[in-house]
Amino acid sequence: DAGITQSPRHKVTETGTPVTLRCHQTENHRYMYWYRQDPGHGLRLIHYSYGVKDTDKGEVSDGYSVSRSKTEDFLLTLESATSSQTSVYFCAISVGVETPLHFGNGTRLTVT
Amino acid sequence: GQQLNQSPQSMFIQEGEDVSMNCTSSSIFNTWLWYKQDPGEGPVLLIALYKAGELTSNGRLTAQFGITRKDSFLNISASIPSDVGIYFCAGQETSGSRLTFGEGTQLTVNP
Repeated sequence: DAGITQSPRHKVTETGTPVTLRCHQTENHRYMYWYRQDPGHGLRLIHYSYGVKDTDKGEVSDGYSVSRSKTEDFLLTLESATSSQTSVYFCAISVGVETPLHFGNGTRLTVT
Repeated sequence: GQQLNQSPQSMFIQEGEDVSMNCTSSSIFNTWLWYKQDPGEGPVLLIALYKAGELTSNGRLTAQFGITRKDSFLNISASIPSDVGIYFCAGQETSGSRLTFGEGTQLTVNP
């Protein structure tokens, strides 16, 4: 375990509600990432951060926003959850850009 | 964007058998990574490869960076029940570019 804590581990929410997932790291790594994992699609990058207050979009960023106010915390927000956002969300960190990534244990989100 | 094809999608083997899986890319990569994911957990890095032709071992696992730089292989020797899980490859075209993940190989080991 690379010192990454994701919370909550499981969440069920209703369509249209806002949801925030938290990633906390104790490694002081500069780079943090949010991925979603779905059957048939593997791991897809949602957003990433290359420093405090510095974030950028990944390949599936629509419907998601992120914030990073401290090195150790990276928040993923679904402003208005939809059923298509039912997924397992993974946070990852890295010292340098992208490689190698170390992952948290995931948050399973169900949108009903 | 680039495509990563990982095969096979699933494997059912007997304990003690050797396993081989591979990933191929439509473009040249300069980094290949292999991860394993246990149920309910995040992927864990097994092996990182940074040079074409590189062969790296981690216990019973051996991975190779293909000489064409468009493929990589992971071999597991003498499989055991705890090898069960999903194995992912990931590749990076250039330093700083986005990682691309394969869809994973689901490995089942029968005792």
